[in-house]
Amino acid sequence: DTEVTQTPKHLVMGMTNKKSLKCEQHMGHRAMYWYKQKAKKPPELMFVYSYEKLSINESVPSRFSPECPNSSLLNLHLHALQPEDSALYLCASSQTRSTRLTDTQYFGPGTRLTVL
Amino acid sequence: DQQVKQNSPSLSVQEGRISILNCDYTNSMFDYFLWYKKYPAEGPTFLISISSIKDKNEDGRFTVFLNKSAKHLSLHIVPSQPGDSAVYFCAASASNSGAGSYQLTFGKGTKLSVIP
Repeated sequence: DTEVTQTPKHLVMGMTNKKSLKCEQHMGHRAMYWYKQKAKKPPELMFVYSYEKLSINESVPSRFSPECPNSSLLNLHLHALQPEDSALYLCASSQTRSTRLTDTQYFGPGTRLTVL
Repeated sequence: DQQVKQNSPSLSVQEGRISILNCDYTNSMFDYFLWYKKYPAEGPTFLISISSIKDKNEDGRFTVFLNKSAKHLSLHIVPSQPGDSAVYFCAASASNSGAGSYQLTFGKGTKLSVIP
């Protein structure tokens, strides 16, 4: 089973709203990721959590706030977003590295976010 | 500076024939390479990967070839089927770059159209 689930599938929000995106995996992966993808572009890494600790923050604006409450869940809290933040937000997970080799990241279906 | 390049934005192939998607990279630290398939408004689906200790990996209709000296990899799909029509992303990572080893560097993608 290589399933990563994300909710909601679609989200429309105003610039003053607060909302959260949720991601869940039950593969025992201890690394989880948030990506942002604009149309016709590759995914851009936003955050990486490793063993529930924030490992990488790719200079993401503070209006995006990640949270990893446990090893299976990853949230992305949104507040005061701008219309240019409209995109597909992807969650991914992978094993953490016990060998020299990098592990495959498995992606969820994404949340299509529209900011009005 | 684009470290992973997919120079063909699109490719059309007849059903039943071979599809060959190409990817070039510039960072000699990359040692793990992946191909993902993506349908519009969905998350990328992992297809196949290869580590730098190999030059070929096969899984069913999909074969990935790695030429380290040329810093080039290719994905072969044989035979191509209409359901293979999607955008294909090449991605790479460097396992010995500390926290950066979690990062996947994506190419811009190649849109494959398989014509019935």
